[in-house]
Amino acid sequence: QKEVEQDPGPLSVPEGAIVSLNCTYSNSAFQYFMWYRQYSRKGPELLMYTYSSGNKEDGRFTAQVDKSSKYISLFIRDSQPSDSATYLCAMRAEETSGSRLTFGEGTQLTVNP
Amino acid sequence: KAGVTQTPRYLIKTRGQQVTLSCSPISGHRSVSWYQQTPGQGLQFLFEYFSETQRNKGNFPGRFSGRQFSNSRSEMNVSTLELGDSALYLCASRALQFIAGELFFGEGSRLTVL
Repeated sequence: QKEVEQDPGPLSVPEGAIVSLNCTYSNSAFQYFMWYRQYSRKGPELLMYTYSSGNKEDGRFTAQVDKSSKYISLFIRDSQPSDSATYLCAMRAEETSGSRLTFGEGTQLTVNP
Repeated sequence: KAGVTQTPRYLIKTRGQQVTLSCSPISGHRSVSWYQQTPGQGLQFLFEYFSETQRNKGNFPGRFSGRQFSNSRSEMNVSTLELGDSALYLCASRALQFIAGELFFGEGSRLTVL
């Protein structure tokens, strides 16, 4: 069983929809939680970064971490065609190097105009 | 500021051959890490180099190796290629090893093994 589970999709939504992306994990030592966005033929880029539990908002994006349930979410409000990409959750434990992340498989999102 | 640069972007090899991939990190970044990305497995950590020393290694066979030079540039090598090594190999850099901070990725080297 993978340490981080993420539904690979694909997920297709109309423009303006609210998108919910989720990951579950099994390692209770994970303390840093990230969401990366990867456009086709590009490398991943950091979208959101959360330490421990709670919510974090940045424009149309909201990241939530529920450590009691070992569940993290990324919400995209008013989705745009430019949001079409693969979204990867990533996480690591406190004592682990910041370069060694455990990633989910990624969810492929398409926002249709 | 230039981003992480990886070369070559695409390459095709046959089974049994070896391959060397190169990565130039963002200027001033001393930590370079490598990931393998495949459908179904996602990104898997290969190894990390900091100050020319391998600091962490993922769960990959010894055919996968790497090194870092004094200017922080890094190379990874895969020997005796297998079909299953076909993947996108991503390099990432960070400013410091243990402090929380952003991991910057290159666009990757796409390896196809025939």
